[in-house]
Amino acid sequence: DGGITQSPKYLFRKEGQNVTLSCEQNLNHDAMYWYRQDPGQGLRLIYYSQIVNDFQKGDIAEGYSVSREKKESFPLTVTSAQKNPTAFYLCASSIRGGGQSSYEQYFGPGTRLTVT
Amino acid sequence: GIQVEQSPPDLILQEGANSTLRCNFSDSVNNLQWFHQNPWGQLINLFYIPSGTKQNGRLSATTVATERYSLLYISSSQTTDSGVYFCASRGGSNYKLTFGKGTLLTVNP
Repeated sequence: DGGITQSPKYLFRKEGQNVTLSCEQNLNHDAMYWYRQDPGQGLRLIYYSQIVNDFQKGDIAEGYSVSREKKESFPLTVTSAQKNPTAFYLCASSIRGGGQSSYEQYFGPGTRLTVT
Repeated sequence: GIQVEQSPPDLILQEGANSTLRCNFSDSVNNLQWFHQNPWGQLINLFYIPSGTKQNGRLSATTVATERYSLLYISSSQTTDSGVYFCASRGGSNYKLTFGKGTLLTVNP
């Protein structure tokens, strides 16, 4: 059963703590993405990775970090430097990344992070 | 970058009614996707439609790339169609999808 899994579904943390969100895919996709959604808004790109051991900042990367050591995995760390970390975080993947060709993106179920 | 605008922002229907959701984008695109976000937040892929027309059951979509808009049609709406519908597009060699703010659809029984 191919797809994208994110864990945990809900996450609660105290202000000042770093937290890592998991994203795993078994679709054999090269490209993976992290988006953030705030209430009543669309999604905004945090980081993306077109290939293992490579990743690029998106529009709102400040206060976040990622790694891409394996094709299947793209964890996101929300650091204490992120000023407004409470949000819904969605991971996505596509067969390939950028360039003139375009590929459909598929999304995981998301993680709701609450920081108090 | 590309700007994406969706209309209407909110739509309330009676079950069985038809509806049309619109997505305008500011530049040429090589990716245009429609999603339905369910109450649990999951984004469900409805259509990948950078141009042309596609149909899937009661849903269909048309993208007129030269005029920079896409339409999502929902016929014979059901209460389970309720939720937020997003349009997202990508252009040039850009790597990200740019999302509109969505249309909140409520279908009443």
